[in-house]
Amino acid sequence: RKEVEQDPGPFNVPEGATVAFNCTYSNSASQSFFWYRQDCRKEPKLLMSVYSSGNEDGRFTAQLNRASQYISLLIRDSKLSDSATYLCVVNRGGYNKLIFGAGTRLAVHP
Amino acid sequence: DAMVIQNPRYQVTQFGKPVTLSCSQTLNHNVMYWYQQKSSQAPKLLFHYYDKDFNNEADTPDNFQSRRPNTSFCFLDIRSPGLGDAAMYLCATSRASSVEQFFGPGTRLTVL
Repeated sequence: RKEVEQDPGPFNVPEGATVAFNCTYSNSASQSFFWYRQDCRKEPKLLMSVYSSGNEDGRFTAQLNRASQYISLLIRDSKLSDSATYLCVVNRGGYNKLIFGAGTRLAVHP
Repeated sequence: DAMVIQNPRYQVTQFGKPVTLSCSQTLNHNVMYWYQQKSSQAPKLLFHYYDKDFNNEADTPDNFQSRRPNTSFCFLDIRSPGLGDAAMYLCATSRASSVEQFFGPGTRLTVL
């Protein structure tokens, strides 16, 4: 079993739609949680950190449920420019070692 | 302004021919990482340097080596590339006190 699991998608949604991605992690010792965005053939870039209290950044909302070891990302009012792969990332501590999920691909169409 | 630079962006090598990938940073970060990412897969950490201390992941093959001659530069050496080593190789940096990692644009390696 992979340490970080995501639905690979693709999620094909029209502009303006709301879309939610889920992620589960297996190591209960995980300490920090993130969503990264990766465009095709580009490097991953930090989208947002995820906190137990939930956090929002514009159209993006991230939630963490430590008891269920579950992380989510909600994107409201999808834009064409949101089309990318979204990587769920977990830090187990110690030199900031990051464990990446394989990503969920989002395609927003007109 | 580029902060993490990788050269070359595309590298083609022959089966078994040694190859070196380069990473440099202008951020003065303590920690530098090398990841391997195959198509539609998660980036996989190969090793990292905390200053001059080298930390190898347990499942990184011996075929992969690294050098960090100074704070700014880090190299990935693949001694005898196999077809299965074709991938995107990502370099990243971070401050020791921060979880955020900054990635370079990657080097896409093709093995013929």
